[in-house]
Amino acid sequence: GQNIDQPTEMTATEGAIVQINCTYQTSGFNGLFWYQQHAGEAPTFLSYNVLDGLEEKGRFSSFLSRSKGYSYLLLKELQMKDSASYLCAVRDGDYKLSFGAGTTVTVRA
Amino acid sequence: IAGITQAPTSQILAAGRRMTLRCTQDMRHNAMYWYRQDLGLGLRLIHYSNTAGTTGKGEVPDGYSVSRANTDDFPLTLASAVPSQTSVYFCASAERAGGEDTQYFGPGTRLTVL
Repeated sequence: GQNIDQPTEMTATEGAIVQINCTYQTSGFNGLFWYQQHAGEAPTFLSYNVLDGLEEKGRFSSFLSRSKGYSYLLLKELQMKDSASYLCAVRDGDYKLSFGAGTTVTVRA
Repeated sequence: IAGITQAPTSQILAAGRRMTLRCTQDMRHNAMYWYRQDLGLGLRLIHYSNTAGTTGKGEVPDGYSVSRANTDDFPLTLASAVPSQTSVYFCASAERAGGEDTQYFGPGTRLTVL
């Protein structure tokens, strides 16, 4: 299986920027995904990285370094609705996803 | 509305009983997945199917079985439920197992085994 680490919790102020780091060890690599999950709801797709570099989608950006086994999700101009759990997931050589335990982000006014 | 449906929404089950969780998608996706989500452990893959007629074991398959008789349906069966199977179960689907194809998740089934 995979070993995927991300912080358990982060707190930030509305309008601020938060960076969620994810490190992984994998047997084969076929992409890294970030999902958002609000409490009591299903995960929803945020971003996908398979090559090194930064992918930007509006207020959210995701970065990948395959040589370092490292990714981060950057959330800019935080809004109250961004309070959620953020899941880092790595797809292995058999195209199966392994998820980290998730990072709970709390946005305060 | 296209998407994935799961049934039941929640269930309380006596230990030793047999239970089937249902999952149906209408997006004609080839790949389907079952995960369980437990506090502090994240989502863990139970079983998967890359295409109708094929299935595979994930990270935590023991005590669970699946079938994929057609493209749309992917039921998960607990033959004899145990309390450690208390969890939230998510079904997911993807157009294909590889490429940029992201997985779309159903609303989940909250299962409690007493």
